[in-house]
Amino acid sequence: GAVVSQHPSRVICKSGTSVKIECRSLDFQATTMFWYRQFPKKSLMLMATSNEGSKATYEQGVEKDKFLINHASLTLSTLTVTSAHPEDSSFYICSARGGGTSGGGEQFFGPGTRLTVL
Amino acid sequence: GNSVTQMEGPVTLSEEAFLTINCTYTATGYPSLFWYVQYPGEGLQLLLKATKADDKGSNKGFEATYRKETTSFHLEKGSVQVSDSAVYFCALHPNQAGTALIFGKGTTLSVSS
Repeated sequence: GAVVSQHPSRVICKSGTSVKIECRSLDFQATTMFWYRQFPKKSLMLMATSNEGSKATYEQGVEKDKFLINHASLTLSTLTVTSAHPEDSSFYICSARGGGTSGGGEQFFGPGTRLTVL
Repeated sequence: GNSVTQMEGPVTLSEEAFLTINCTYTATGYPSLFWYVQYPGEGLQLLLKATKADDKGSNKGFEATYRKETTSFHLEKGSVQVSDSAVYFCALHPNQAGTALIFGKGTTLSVSS
């Protein structure tokens, strides 16, 4: 199956700093990428949807100035958590979908990035 | 709107027991339905899917049938193994271009030998 990688797998940073997380589709072109946040013992919360070359669409309640998403190419999307605070500590998961299918299209998931803000 | 509800966990079973994890959905239109599994320390993996009513998805001994009349997609396995211990997520896709999967809250399964 298709492979999606994320880097780094875990990061610890000080409060007030910015952290960039990369998501790459390794063997397919991802026209759409999604960023999720997973809280302990809870489901995945969709943060934003990005299409290559256009601005990301953020879900209600997600601060676009805090969570900057760039989908610069068909194989790379980045999420930058700006001025991180302890409440931003979480597990961030990216997902990628290839092709132009809108029905039954499979999303492939990265392994996730554990962010801890001290 | 679209949403997915799945049974609260954790589910604790002995090896070779029968497993059912309930999942129901609400959706406008005709969604596709999925089960994803997340093993400890790993990312989500697609377990099985069904794209239309009465379809049965199956993989690794797991099965789920898309029931439109009851808006359900329950996951079953006849005989679980310790290696099946993981978190299972039911999800739907609204079959609209550019939209993301919508997940249930996940059910933790723990199988002991």
